[in-house]
Amino acid sequence: DNQITQSPSSLSASVGESVTITCRASQSIFSYLNWYQQRPGKAPRLLIYAASSLQSGVPLRFSGSGSGTDFTLTISSLQPEDFATYYCQQTYNIPRTFGQGTKVEIK
Amino acid sequence: EVQLVESGGGLVQPGGSVRLSCAASGFTFTTHWMHWVRQAPGKGLVWVSRISYDGTATTYTESVKGRLTVSRDNAKNMLFLQMDSVRVEDSAVYYCARESLNAFDIWGQGTMVTVSP
Repeated sequence: DNQITQSPSSLSASVGESVTITCRASQSIFSYLNWYQQRPGKAPRLLIYAASSLQSGVPLRFSGSGSGTDFTLTISSLQPEDFATYYCQQTYNIPRTFGQGTKVEIK
Repeated sequence: EVQLVESGGGLVQPGGSVRLSCAASGFTFTTHWMHWVRQAPGKGLVWVSRISYDGTATTYTESVKGRLTVSRDNAKNMLFLQMDSVRVEDSAVYYCARESLNAFDIWGQGTMVTVSP
């Protein structure tokens, strides 16, 4: 399996701050990397697909970058509704592995 | 409205069976691969299975091979997950998800399966 290592597992930040989450794949996945947001008790929501493409309806403060094995999700100017858990996912290989998740909490 | 709605979860005994359903609406079901993803309580997301547009190709994560079976009824816009010989470790919320542009862009609300004596 293509292992995905996501870090950090959690972080604390204040409203208005910028945060960055990283994912590293054990083998190249080119740009087949997606990012999801999951609020407590809710289904995941697609934020970024193909490493850097913003899903329709997602605020511009979310951005993704990277290719090959190293990827980042950046949330600029955190808003109250952004406090949630974020997952990356590779869709180059089967199984379609997810990262372990990053919980973004209010400082 | 584009929507996926799961049903069929509940309490099942180890070794038993349960069938999950996912009703699709608001989009052309026959043009999308479909997936099942599960999430144990307090844990992360785990991809379980996928099925091709026409149902002729299926793939599973290793831990469920031979026990879980994905299928679809394109005439009724329905996706299914037949779970046999269930184990305690199969307890989770099960989500169905639509694949588009190599991402899971639409998710259902999830259905909980609890495997317990």
